[in-house]
Amino acid sequence: NAGVTQTPKFRVLKTGQSMTLLCAQDMNHEYMYWYRQDPGMGLRLIHYSVGEGTTAKGEVPDGYNVSRLKKQNFLLGLESAAPSQTSVYFCASSYAGQGRYGYTFGSGTRLTVV
Amino acid sequence: KQEVTQIPAALSVPEGENLVLNCSFTDSAIYNLQWFRQDPGKGLTSLLLIQSSQREQTSGRLNASLDKSSGRSTLYIAASQPGDSATYLCAVWYGSARQLTFGSGTQLTVLP
Repeated sequence: NAGVTQTPKFRVLKTGQSMTLLCAQDMNHEYMYWYRQDPGMGLRLIHYSVGEGTTAKGEVPDGYNVSRLKKQNFLLGLESAAPSQTSVYFCASSYAGQGRYGYTFGSGTRLTVV
Repeated sequence: KQEVTQIPAALSVPEGENLVLNCSFTDSAIYNLQWFRQDPGKGLTSLLLIQSSQREQTSGRLNASLDKSSGRSTLYIAASQPGDSATYLCAVWYGSARQLTFGSGTQLTVLP
């Protein structure tokens, strides 16, 4: 099925550990996004990409890095995990900017930092 | 600050009832507004996308309206069913922004 696939689905990290979340889309979308969702705060944009080889900061970029080496993949890295990064992470993609044709979301990664 | 607000945070209705979910936004200069559905432990599913030039969009039992002048959108669900139980999120692309701004959602429970 076409869509956005996120791996892993669940992860528990110790404070200070690092990890990479992978997002893959097979819809040939140019734009990709990483969000985090926290109770009572809605979704907040971490980083985004407007095409292969490009990345840009969103609303809450601190503590995260991203890479878009291939058009279909968007990686989110945590260099030194902190308990404040406990959250559900969602990847999304869109055909064009400004949400003109809507967004497709992945099913999420639930990350717990202890 | 450009914000999106959804009230109430939670809503419980009996099956078969028609209902309206509300979304308000702080700036009328928007590109579009989207309604999403999120089931527990799942990702977001796009329901309806309304461009700034449109007044409403319909899909099956769902109808979304947009009133930019008042900064409001409503999602109307006709003849609600228990399967409609989920969290409904509203998101706005403001004209001056580079991202969608999400509301915190309304958690809907439809009782059998």
